Amino acid sequence: GAGVSQSPSNKVTEKGKDVELRCDPISGHTALYWYRQSLGQGLEFLIYFQGNSAPDKSGLPSDRFSAERTGGSVSTLTIQRTQQEDSAVYLCASSSQGALNEKLFFGSGTQLSVL
Amino acid sequence: GDSVTQMEGPVTLSEEAFLTINCTYTATGYPSLFWYVQYPGEGLQLLLKATKADDKGSNKGFEATYRKETTSFHLEKGSVQVSDSAVYFCALSEWGDMRFGAGTRLTVKP
Repeated sequence: GAGVSQSPSNKVTEKGKDVELRCDPISGHTALYWYRQSLGQGLEFLIYFQGNSAPDKSGLPSDRFSAERTGGSVSTLTIQRTQQEDSAVYLCASSSQGALNEKLFFGSGTQLSVL
Repeated sequence: GDSVTQMEGPVTLSEEAFLTINCTYTATGYPSLFWYVQYPGEGLQLLLKATKADDKGSNKGFEATYRKETTSFHLEKGSVQVSDSAVYFCALSEWGDMRFGAGTRLTVKP
């Protein structure tokens, strides 16, 4: 597709379950970002992938969160043993070279609800 | 680490009023600065950017000037419209990543 695609668009899960969120960036974009947007909060940086470099994981809130990017394209964000405070919209974005001079293109997000 | 601080909202204005949303940043070097906008029901999109000191970014009547001496990138518009109602995010990128402020919700009333 032409834009950043995220799936699922909505996910409802029970506390303690694991979830996987998927992001398909724009074809050819080397940089990929994950953010979390909680109700009434801003955009919280989670992780950043750039090409084949080691990802910047400095924003991951706990070791229950992990992400990988296979083949430099699709990325999966995994949350283990979900907690109610994990409920948020998880946004993925990509850019062609990294954000220094290029704009980010955002997906529509995955709304995660942990019951 | 690098960070952005923007004025808390919500901000409510009447149509044709002047808008300022303050943004200041902390960075070790020379970041690029951005304003993103999220209209109701839509995803974030780039509004404007500036890549070096004294640059002015502009788009859709909005402007922001990169002020290194005050580490600021305040967003301004001379006459807001109802259609400008949205959440505005200030952001910076220094090493390729992008860090956002908390967002400021703007509501413009007719």
